[in-house]
Amino acid sequence: DAGITQSPRHKVTETGTPVTLRCHQTENHRYMYWYRQDPGHGLRLIHYSYGVKDTDKGEVSDGYSVSRSKTEDFLLTLESATSSQTSVYFCAISDFMLPISTTNEKLFFGSGTQLSVL
Amino acid sequence: AQKITQTQPGMFVQEKEAVTLDCTYDTSDQSYGLFWYKQPSSGEMIFLIYQGSYDEQNATEGRYSLNFQKARKSANLVISASQLGDSAMYFCAMREGFSGGYNKLIFGAGTRLAVHP
Repeated sequence: DAGITQSPRHKVTETGTPVTLRCHQTENHRYMYWYRQDPGHGLRLIHYSYGVKDTDKGEVSDGYSVSRSKTEDFLLTLESATSSQTSVYFCAISDFMLPISTTNEKLFFGSGTQLSVL
Repeated sequence: AQKITQTQPGMFVQEKEAVTLDCTYDTSDQSYGLFWYKQPSSGEMIFLIYQGSYDEQNATEGRYSLNFQKARKSANLVISASQLGDSAMYFCAMREGFSGGYNKLIFGAGTRLAVHP
């Protein structure tokens, strides 16, 4: 299994408070992603990174910011949490590897963070 | 516009029988990839199978096969000889364009499969 650690695994917070979720990888993969999972929507991309300090917005980026100061860490911040941000958050990684195989076509996922905003 | 459509919110199948989970997609790219992931009740996302748009053969991985019909833009997952452990949520996903390791996936809403003994 890919070495991806998400922290915390569970968090309960109040509306209006800042929240930071951390994704740490030990695979030295170039690309990192944050998804949120909600019933009826599957997984939707929030932000992604294609290198240190290189990030871009995904489909549902409003209310979220990210930072990647090191290859191994990708942080997701909710500046002022709202109840609509209650969700399960997944970090994922990918990269191009030799030998060429289906592995290059995969996302490897972390275990997820359950966030509840009350 | 929705890119990935999974029209079956829930399905059930008898143990040892085959089941097909539907997935249709929409893209104007000539190069793309189609994926299926499984999410058991424990919550982790497990990669099942991948099909590239230029692959002429349908992908197979053990009991999983992907019925790829390019003209119909469908990528249905077939699970043969269902097992109780197959009970889970199943997501179809698509990557547009060539990968090179960069896999920004678009997911469908998922189908919950229940396998009955």
